[in-house]
Amino acid sequence: DQQVKQNSPSLSVQEGRISILNCDYTNSMFDYFLWYKKYPAEGPTFLISISSIKDKNEDGRFTVFLNKSAKHLSLHIVPSQPGDSAVYFCAASEGGGADGLTFGKGTHLIIQP
Amino acid sequence: DSGVTQTPKHLITATGQRVTLRCSPRSGDLSVYWYQQSLDQGLQFLIQYYNGEERAKGNILERFSAQQFPDLHSELNLSSLELGDSALYFCASSVYLGVNEQFFGPGTRLTVL
Repeated sequence: DQQVKQNSPSLSVQEGRISILNCDYTNSMFDYFLWYKKYPAEGPTFLISISSIKDKNEDGRFTVFLNKSAKHLSLHIVPSQPGDSAVYFCAASEGGGADGLTFGKGTHLIIQP
Repeated sequence: DSGVTQTPKHLITATGQRVTLRCSPRSGDLSVYWYQQSLDQGLQFLIQYYNGEERAKGNILERFSAQQFPDLHSELNLSSLELGDSALYFCASSVYLGVNEQFFGPGTRLTVL
């Protein structure tokens, strides 16, 4: 049973526009959410995170929104740049991550010139 | 570069064999996590060590085991290998127990023939 779901395997966005990546979760015990970015032949790189006590966190071009009632989070990238082309993983944890992170299957973001 | 190193990068072996994957965490990190990424699955948490002690187990098979040594490097041992064990194995580290942001190594690609 997948507790973290990324329903779009891929997403194509034009350079300069906004990229919106979505993630849904089922476990109401999750209290911390993270986004990781992964290039081919590399490990995932931490991008941005949000605690369940917040509904928004911003870091430069990246903003994560959390809707606890809908068990939904999204990552906004504005403006999208060619270097943003990568696989993005949504991850969640409970109890401070002591039991490891639960990952979605990822969304492949392609930025078109 | 996350500061987490993993060796070897690639490993090709036969069914029934045993292999050892090695991970060195970032300097100062006490927690080490192991994840498996197979073709049709997202990253799956296997096991976590903190300062030499096992702290959490995820979807780790009984044929797999791990340990963390006094110098904090960790090894993941996979035995009686099956074709389905072919995957990318990632190690991640974090400073303390229960810190959500984990830093990933580049992974070891295991191919079982």
